[in-house]
Amino acid sequence: DGGITQSPKYLFRKEGQNVTLSCEQNLNHDAMYWYRQDPGQGLRLIYYSQIVNDFQKGDIAEGYSVSREKKESFPLTVTSAQKNPTAFYLCASSIVTSGNTIYFGEGSWLTVV
Amino acid sequence: SQELEQSPQSLIVQEGKNLTINCTSSKTLYGLYWYKQKYGEGLIFLMMLQKGGEEKSHEKITAKLDEKKQQSSLHITASQPSHAGIYLCGADAGNNRKLIWGLGTSLAVNP
Repeated sequence: DGGITQSPKYLFRKEGQNVTLSCEQNLNHDAMYWYRQDPGQGLRLIYYSQIVNDFQKGDIAEGYSVSREKKESFPLTVTSAQKNPTAFYLCASSIVTSGNTIYFGEGSWLTVV
Repeated sequence: SQELEQSPQSLIVQEGKNLTINCTSSKTLYGLYWYKQKYGEGLIFLMMLQKGGEEKSHEKITAKLDEKKQQSSLHITASQPSHAGIYLCGADAGNNRKLIWGLGTSLAVNP
């Protein structure tokens, strides 16, 4: 079945360690996104990519990095520079970045202790 | 201030009752999206509205976009426990595809 797969679902890390969240889609979508969801703050855009080998910062990119080496994959690295990394992270994709529905993965819970 | 205001913040209804959730912006919207989310899970796409006055329905859920394209409502008829969850609206405000989001409406349906 077509869809967006995020892994792992739950991740625990010690403070100061980098961690990478995986996102893979088989929908043949050009655009991919990473959002962070915190209680009371709604969805906030971290990074997005409209095409392979290109990506743009969203509203809260500091402390995060991404890569887009393949159309299907858009991994997110949460670096030690991110002040409050504990959150629910959502990966999404759409056909293109304008006028098309965004579809979401199941999300990844990251807890940093 | 939130660019996309959702109301109410939470809602508890008895099974079988109708309910409405609203999503309002001060800007003209170029696309309005409704999603449903179970806590700790991904967002499930419900409907997209683009034209002023547009109305779409899926099963017992109807969404409308007003003529000015600044407000949308989501109406559930004869609610069921399966409708429980968080409903979020997202909108294209013309800012290079950076969607703006409401904070969500948490719906509980008591059997």
